[in-house]
Amino acid sequence: AQSVTQLGSHVSVSEGALVLLRCNYSSSVPPYLFWYVQYPNQGLQLLLKYTSAATLVKGINGFEAEFKKSETSFHLTKPSAHMSDAAEYFCAVATGGGNKLTFGTGTQLKVEL
Amino acid sequence: DTAVSQTPKYLVTQMGNDKSIKCEQNLGHDTMYWYKQDSKKFLKIMFSYNNKELIINETVPNRFSPKSPDKAHLNLHINSLELGDSAVYFCASSHLEREAQETQYFGPGTRLLVL
Repeated sequence: AQSVTQLGSHVSVSEGALVLLRCNYSSSVPPYLFWYVQYPNQGLQLLLKYTSAATLVKGINGFEAEFKKSETSFHLTKPSAHMSDAAEYFCAVATGGGNKLTFGTGTQLKVEL
Repeated sequence: DTAVSQTPKYLVTQMGNDKSIKCEQNLGHDTMYWYKQDSKKFLKIMFSYNNKELIINETVPNRFSPKSPDKAHLNLHINSLELGDSAVYFCASSHLEREAQETQYFGPGTRLLVL
């Protein structure tokens, strides 16, 4: 079975600081990995996804993530946090047999002045 | 234009009642999903339909019954509601051609509160 683990349920950064949200995966086959963002009282929006084309994936709003097979990681980064980045972030792995998404437990990002 | 829409947005009801949540997508996708997000924000898939056929059915009580009248709609009917059913229910849709590579697009969610 495939799974993802998000370390840190809450992350707090200062505006302008580096954002690093951690995600590690467990998979017996090459994984397809996703980062979604959920703003308060809204649905999930795709930030970026890894589908084996390139290990460094660039997404929307200045976010990017690097797939590291040796570390089984897919951490999300942004060089400079903005107040509007405050939200819940979910890492997910997809499996075949119907495109089932398995989500991590989420990381709430807080951005402080 | 709303890509994936759900109605109602909020639903407050008594234990034991039966309720339905509707979902529609205008993205031309052939696959639709229902996810449940609990109070700790944990998201878990419940069902998936491809061209009106059930393809994913997780361990969900049989009080939950999805219905897909056509590939643009996937409704969720819940019988005999229980307190533990209180959650946010998200509908999503995608293509299925490349299976696990496909992006799922989520609706805004339906916040269900069972009293």
